[in-house]
Amino acid sequence: GNSVTQMEGPVTLSEEAFLTINCTYTATGYPSLFWYVQYPGEGLQLLLKATKADDKGSNKGFEATYRKETTSFHLEKGSVQVSDSAVYFCALTSNSGGSNYKLTFGKGTLLTVNP
Amino acid sequence: DGGITQSPKYLFRKEGQNVTLSCEQNLNHDAMYWYRQDPGQGLRLIYYSQIVNDFQKGDIAEGYSVSREKKESFPLTVTSAQKNPTAFYLCASRVRAGVSPYEQYFGPGTRLTVT
Repeated sequence: GNSVTQMEGPVTLSEEAFLTINCTYTATGYPSLFWYVQYPGEGLQLLLKATKADDKGSNKGFEATYRKETTSFHLEKGSVQVSDSAVYFCALTSNSGGSNYKLTFGKGTLLTVNP
Repeated sequence: DGGITQSPKYLFRKEGQNVTLSCEQNLNHDAMYWYRQDPGQGLRLIYYSQIVNDFQKGDIAEGYSVSREKKESFPLTVTSAQKNPTAFYLCASRVRAGVSPYEQYFGPGTRLTVT
């Protein structure tokens, strides 16, 4: 079956530091990959996505590259801000085996950015 | 603006009572989903519906029930059979199940506390 493993954290950084949150996956077929962000007390927002190998998703200064050879989709940002403090979820959906209705999530990584 | 609404944001119930959580979307999406979020466990799929008058069990359907009488609405009932109902419940929707784009859009969530 499909699974997602991500750095559990918590991760604490100072403002303007570089961020990496690791995410690796196992999947049948050719998955689409996502990063979602959840601010305190809110639902999930789609941060970025990539649908095929070597695609780079980017949004709000965050980037992630779909690496099929290493089955990874690591999230990076060059300079974090206090407002980036949130929980980040890596997720996938696969278009094989009839499972493309469903997102499979990692457990989430809590990021705290201090001024 | 289009989006997903969930009400209420906070819900309190006594043990042994059934409770229904509301989810409405005006995105004209065909597919809708219910997830449960517990601390440190990511999101787990309860039920999903790909079309009106049809729905399927997810990974943790026991103690829950749903209906899909209208495209816009997908209410979730937490029954007294659910052993640990206290959690954060998230509703999501997607344009169409089975075809790109595969990303899901989430509502703001309902936090249910059962005592």
